[in-house]
Amino acid sequence: EDKVVQSPLSLVVHEGDTVTLNCSYEVTNFRSLLWYKQEKKAPTFLFMLTSSGIEKKSGRLSSILDKKELFSILNITATQTGDSAVYLCAVPTSGTYKYIFGTGTRLKVLA
Amino acid sequence: DVKVTQSSRYLVKRTGEKVFLECVQDMDHENMFWYRQDPGLGLRLIYFSYDVKMKEKGDIPEGYSVSREKKERFSLILESASTNQTSMYLCASGLRMNTEAFFGQGTRLTVV
Repeated sequence: EDKVVQSPLSLVVHEGDTVTLNCSYEVTNFRSLLWYKQEKKAPTFLFMLTSSGIEKKSGRLSSILDKKELFSILNITATQTGDSAVYLCAVPTSGTYKYIFGTGTRLKVLA
Repeated sequence: DVKVTQSSRYLVKRTGEKVFLECVQDMDHENMFWYRQDPGLGLRLIYFSYDVKMKEKGDIPEGYSVSREKKERFSLILESASTNQTSMYLCASGLRMNTEAFFGQGTRLTVV
């Protein structure tokens, strides 16, 4: 059965810390992996990863995929209170329109 | 920017009522989705649609139906609301398989 597992479930850090969030997956005929940030409302799209070893970067956020070990990490450097959110990982299932979501990592950044 | 708009942010309904949740997207996306999100369970797919009048069941379709009469609009219907359908409902749209989906702001439904 296809599945996506995120760790840790929750994390509390102080401003300025660097955090690493993990997403592992078992999906038949993997095509891509997506990261979203969810604050109080809708998940907003961060990254889509399709190739192993190629880092995607946006400001203080970066992400990389390892297709051999079946995981991705999301790094946030110099965290700010505005980074507090739930971070979701999703993988589209092969040949369908369905996305499997992990349960998310809840990040809280303290001032 | 892609915009996915859900008709209500908050709804309170009584058990047994028929409930309509509306979703509109403005990017001419083929695919539209309805998820519910519950603590500890993550996002679970209720239904999705890949074209007008086309729909497929997701992982938890029981107690729900959907309607897609126009490409931009995807409605979720709770035929007879029950308390276990109290949840956050998220609509999303996407252009193609295996690409990113864009979400609406969510509707928090409480059934009393």
